Amino acid sequence: QQPVQSPQAVILREGEDAVINCSSSKALYSVHWYRQKHGEAPVFLMILLKGGEQKGHEKISASFNEKKQQSSLYLTASQLSYSGTYFCGTGGAGGTSYGKLTFGQGTILTVHP
Amino acid sequence: DAGVIQSPRHEVTEMGQEVTLRCKPISGHDYLFWYRQTMMRGLELLIYFNNNVPIDDSGMPEDRFSAKMPNASFSTLKIQPSEPRDSAVYFCASSFDGTPTYEQYFGPGTRLTVT
Repeated sequence: QQPVQSPQAVILREGEDAVINCSSSKALYSVHWYRQKHGEAPVFLMILLKGGEQKGHEKISASFNEKKQQSSLYLTASQLSYSGTYFCGTGGAGGTSYGKLTFGQGTILTVHP
Repeated sequence: DAGVIQSPRHEVTEMGQEVTLRCKPISGHDYLFWYRQTMMRGLELLIYFNNNVPIDDSGMPEDRFSAKMPNASFSTLKIQPSEPRDSAVYFCASSFDGTPTYEQYFGPGTRLTVT
């Protein structure tokens, strides 16, 4: 079942912060965050694994609440380059199923000067 | 590396015709994924392969869709016969099991229009 993201859209000015939430009705083993700019392919931001591990390579943080089956992506001091659609994807329990992602509907983030 | 390569980038075809989409994953990657993206359904996983073997095709919508991976550097997604509702952007992505991030690298996509 598809995870639910909120909000659907958010508009910011440069330097403002934003939080994007991702909720699942199923047990979460991993949550993968991607950003897609208009007309381009999704690009990996980070992964959060059951047990608290967080792995990524951008200056964006996230949390993973196993009990609530939720993840949140924190964008601080937003820049114009942060604009795009953010997707969370929930992965399988492990092994070959880690990459079996079910994506949320996306959150459109727009940053204005 | 050149990244994931997809061809064609755009495809316009008539209903009933066969469509073949192609993908070359990043060299050394052992997972390959096919996704479809539409406004209505979002980004959906269709099928994925590990070491050229299909692992899960539960996302393939109908028997009209088929995918193959004859070797580590090439995969195809075929639609036969095509229908207007198949119009979408189709992405191919690849990943390497050895990385701790499980990052999937997406290709630029093929925009398919079925008239």
